[in-house]
Amino acid sequence: EIVLTQSPGTLSLSPGERATLSCGASQSVSSNFLAWYQQKPGQAPRLLIYGASYRATGIPDRFSGSGSGTDFTLTISRLEPEDFAVYYCQQYGSSPPLTFGGGTKVEI
Amino acid sequence: EVQLLESGGGLVQPGGSLRLSCAASGFTFSSSAMSWVRQAPGKGPEWISVISGSGGITYYADSVKGRFTISRDNSKNTLSLQMNSLRAEDTAVYYCAKDVSRGRGTYFDYWGQGTLVTVSS
Repeated sequence: EIVLTQSPGTLSLSPGERATLSCGASQSVSSNFLAWYQQKPGQAPRLLIYGASYRATGIPDRFSGSGSGTDFTLTISRLEPEDFAVYYCQQYGSSPPLTFGGGTKVEI
Repeated sequence: EVQLLESGGGLVQPGGSLRLSCAASGFTFSSSAMSWVRQAPGKGPEWISVISGSGGITYYADSVKGRFTISRDNSKNTLSLQMNSLRAEDTAVYYCAKDVSRGRGTYFDYWGQGTLVTVSS
């Protein structure tokens, strides 16, 4: 089972700033099959990125994903007020099981 | 518009059983693998089970293997999760999630709103 470790646990930033979130895998993620989700309180997760770097339908271009192997990054170029949320990475290169990271909270 | 609507959650005693359902609409149900993903209070999501579009292939997380059974009725566009021998650690919001693939489970482009399962005496 691939274990995903996200850092930092919490990121305190202001609107307009750049956010850089990391996701490290315990072993190489096959074919860079890594997704990122955003979750707001009381809501289900929302798909942002798949295949490490492809934005899902309707996702603003301020969100970008990068990385390969065991190290992946989600970048939010300029934080909007609606971007303050918890972000999770998920691997699907070695499944089952599909596994999620523990999350990074982006707060004001 | 894709919609996934879970039902069946509630309070159950340890050792008890519960059956969750997910009604799907807005897409060709049989063309998508479907998963159940749960999230304990204050924790990250945990994938627990996937079923292929045809229903012929299923996988489970070790934490629920032998206790939970996933199934689907493509004629009714419904996904189910039968949960037996429930434990306190099964307490979570349970989401059904639509996979982008037909097969073994990949990532999820749509999620339901979730249903809360509480296991407590």
